[in-house]
Amino acid sequence: KAGVTQTPRYLIKTRGQQVTLSCSPISGHRSVSWYQQTPGQGLQFLFEYFSETQRNKGNFPGRFSGRQFSNSRSEMNVSTLELGDSALYLCASSTGQPSSYNEQFFGPGTRLTVL
Amino acid sequence: TQLLEQSPQFLSIQEGENLTVYCNSSSVFSSLQWYRQEPGEGPVLLVTVVTGGEVKKLKRLTFQFGDARKDSSLHITAAQPGDTGLYLCAGVGSGTYKYIFGTGTRLKVLA
Repeated sequence: KAGVTQTPRYLIKTRGQQVTLSCSPISGHRSVSWYQQTPGQGLQFLFEYFSETQRNKGNFPGRFSGRQFSNSRSEMNVSTLELGDSALYLCASSTGQPSSYNEQFFGPGTRLTVL
Repeated sequence: TQLLEQSPQFLSIQEGENLTVYCNSSSVFSSLQWYRQEPGEGPVLLVTVVTGGEVKKLKRLTFQFGDARKDSSLHITAAQPGDTGLYLCAGVGSGTYKYIFGTGTRLKVLA
């Protein structure tokens, strides 16, 4: 079974620009979660999509948005980039069911650098 | 608000030593996962524990879930340089699909 894939792996943008990151979950998984990881703040939850609907949202400004398609692939968009948005963005997929064995599997991440 | 505190935050040890990492909360979790992450990569799932008191072994790694399902520990026997990385615990709230991640333990094993 193929794992979670994320594209692109690396991205360099300048302040004020916008960026779109993509995530393809494991086949059969309907939940995709996005996280931001920085050295100072650790792993922070952005949002979760399940069956094309945002089911959970973290405490990030509205510049961060996402969507999920009918094939469960997800995209995350950050508009008006700021220097502080430089981070590793991780996508994780799971079945999305409230079950004890609802394990999350992570992709390799997209390293975003904002200059 | 559910929180997961990991300790220690940083650990630097010599090859061959043993170590234990703790993951503690005041909340009950229906399951708990442990991940290892290497620089620039996504976390890799090591194990999931579900039953209170459960012990799982993965080669030199031993994972335990607390009896009350509020805490967990990861013990590494005879650490090797390949064990170097960031260890993260993540709990799933009872009856939910929400994940709470721990603060992380950065381990460095010196040859």
